[in-house]
Formats: sequence, C-alpha cells, structure tokens
Amino acid sequence: AQSVSQHNHHVILSEAASLELGCNYSYGGTVNLFWYVQYPGQHLQLLLKYFSGDPLVKGIKGFEAEFIKSKFSFNLRKPSVQWSDTAEYFCAVNSPNSGYALNFGKGTSLLVTP
Amino acid sequence: GAGVSQSPRYKVAKRGQDVALRCDPISGHVSLFWYQQALGQGPEFLTYFQNEAQLDKSGLPSDRFFAERPEGSVSTLKIQRTQQEDSAVYLCASSFGTGSHYEQYFGPGTRLTVT
Repeated sequence: AQSVSQHNHHVILSEAASLELGCNYSYGGTVNLFWYVQYPGQHLQLLLKYFSGDPLVKGIKGFEAEFIKSKFSFNLRKPSVQWSDTAEYFCAVNSPNSGYALNFGKGTSLLVTP
Repeated sequence: GAGVSQSPRYKVAKRGQDVALRCDPISGHVSLFWYQQALGQGPEFLTYFQNEAQLDKSGLPSDRFFAERPEGSVSTLKIQRTQQEDSAVYLCASSFGTGSHYEQYFGPGTRLTVT
C-alpha cells in the first residue's frame, strides 16, 4: 500500500540549531513530493515541492529538501532555525498514476525555543 | 487575492444531526479537494472535483458523506446522521490546474465536533 512516514513526531530545537525532518514514502513509479507547513492558528501552506529536475529543491523561508530516489526519501532541512519556525510540518506525496489526491504523513511538531 | 475560504469555522452537532460544510475555492481554480484531519494526524483525502465533475470519491468513509460542486465553483460537503467518529477538521483545497504536480491551496478548515 502507498504510504508516507515521518520519523519524528515532536522535535524541540534551540534557535540557530540546524533542522532535518525525515520523510519516507512507499510508492512505485513517478512521484510528486511536497512539504507543507502549518503555523499556529494558520492554514496549511506550501513550503516547497519536487516533481522533476534538480533533486535539491529550495523553498520559502530558507528551507530546502533533497529527493533521494534510491532511498525513497524527501528530507526537509534548514541550516539555522528561528523561533518563528515553530509549526507543524507535513510531508505529502502524490503520483501522476494514482490521481491527484495528496497522501500526507502524520506530521512533525517543531518547537523552537529562544 | 483572496484565498480559499470555508464556513462555518466551527460546528458543534449532536449525534444524528446533519451538517453542511461550505468551501469557496480561489476564483478560476479548476480542481477542488476535501480532506479530513483527525487530531494528531495528517489530512486524509475524501473527494476530488474537476470543475463540477466529481472524479474521485474513494476517500469518503461512508454513504453518510456526500459532496457536490454544482456550478464548478463553491462546494458543499454534507454529512448525514453525524457520529462521534466524524469529529475532525475538514479541509478544502483548490488548485489551478488538473495535473498532480499543481500546488493545492488550503482553506482554514471547519472544526466539527459531534457530541
């Protein structure tokens, strides 16, 4: 069955620490990969996406993610987090061959302390 | 410009009542999605519209759930005879195109509590 897994459900970091959130998926064939963020009290918004080309994708607010096809992974990274990065982060996958619906991971709650 | 809007933002229903949740997508967006998000979980797909056509309803959990988009813009998700397990946040998303790689823009959600 197609699935998306996020390794860490809760992460606590100090400001200026580096961030890496794991995401693995089990899909056959071509995939589109997304990271969405939900800041407290706000709606889901797209951080970055990959569907072809350079596997290192840069998104908003200094975030980036790397698609590693051989590992079925799409980890999210940021070199230096800020307090304002406190949010819930969701990895999502869909496939051109299996419809347009996004299949989300369970999310990672990130708390950045001053 | 305006984003995706949903109403009501909060709904409390007694078990057995019917509810209707509204979604106003971004103007001109062809695709519209409904998702259900339980507490502590990621959103789960319910149904997909391309204009007024419901192309995928494989995620609807039971025949108590019904969605429509009669004129290809506003959509309504209706839940009949609500049960406690229906308590969740219902998210609507729209996208400009019909390809799977298009960004989906999400609304703020409707938090449904069934008592």
